[in-house]
Amino acid sequence: DAKTTQPNSMESNEEEPVHLPCNHSTISGTDYIHWYRQLPSQGPEYVIHGLTSNVNNRMASLAIAEDRKSSTLILHRATLRDAAVYYCILTTISGGSNYKLTFGKGTLLTVNP
Amino acid sequence: DAGVIQSPRHEVTEMGQEVTLRCKPISGHNSLFWYRQTMMRGLELLIYFNNNVPIDDSGMPEDRFSAKMPNASFSTLKIQPSEPRDSAVYFCASRVDRANTEAFFGQGTRLTVV
Repeated sequence: DAKTTQPNSMESNEEEPVHLPCNHSTISGTDYIHWYRQLPSQGPEYVIHGLTSNVNNRMASLAIAEDRKSSTLILHRATLRDAAVYYCILTTISGGSNYKLTFGKGTLLTVNP
Repeated sequence: DAGVIQSPRHEVTEMGQEVTLRCKPISGHNSLFWYRQTMMRGLELLIYFNNNVPIDDSGMPEDRFSAKMPNASFSTLKIQPSEPRDSAVYFCASRVDRANTEAFFGQGTRLTVV
């Protein structure tokens, strides 16, 4: 399975942009890049996903490198509610057309007031 | 839709007892995942189903763990007999089985085995 590498932790100040990096050098051509986050005492929640082009939604932006070996999740203005563990994962084909979701350790984002 | 529903939210049981965790996926989703989360090991994928069929159970720790999905709207994860090291938060998630769809997670079941 293609693996991802993320920093263990990052810190940001409220209302400042945050760039969360992810390396996935063994990504294959059909792998999508997904980001999830887990707020304290909750289950993970979807943030954004992409294949090749940069993506924007109401929560964040996803910037994907041209060679697809890395990506960056961008929170444009961090709030205290964005403090969470952020996971970068690849949806990898696992037998036929099935796609399983395997989570790594993620990045613990701390947001300072 | 009410989202993925897990029950119970909390379970405390004695070592050696049988424990059954339940999950109702979102209607229309054909993939279902069971995860276990601990501080030491993070979020581990235990098993996932596609169209009610177990596709990959390589994450199931041992024979004490079993999972079933008798129909598209219900799944169980059973531990028999339970041990203290099984204490963790267990999450269920569902999604449509495509690479570009999002997964929705339940609130989890916090299991404590004493």
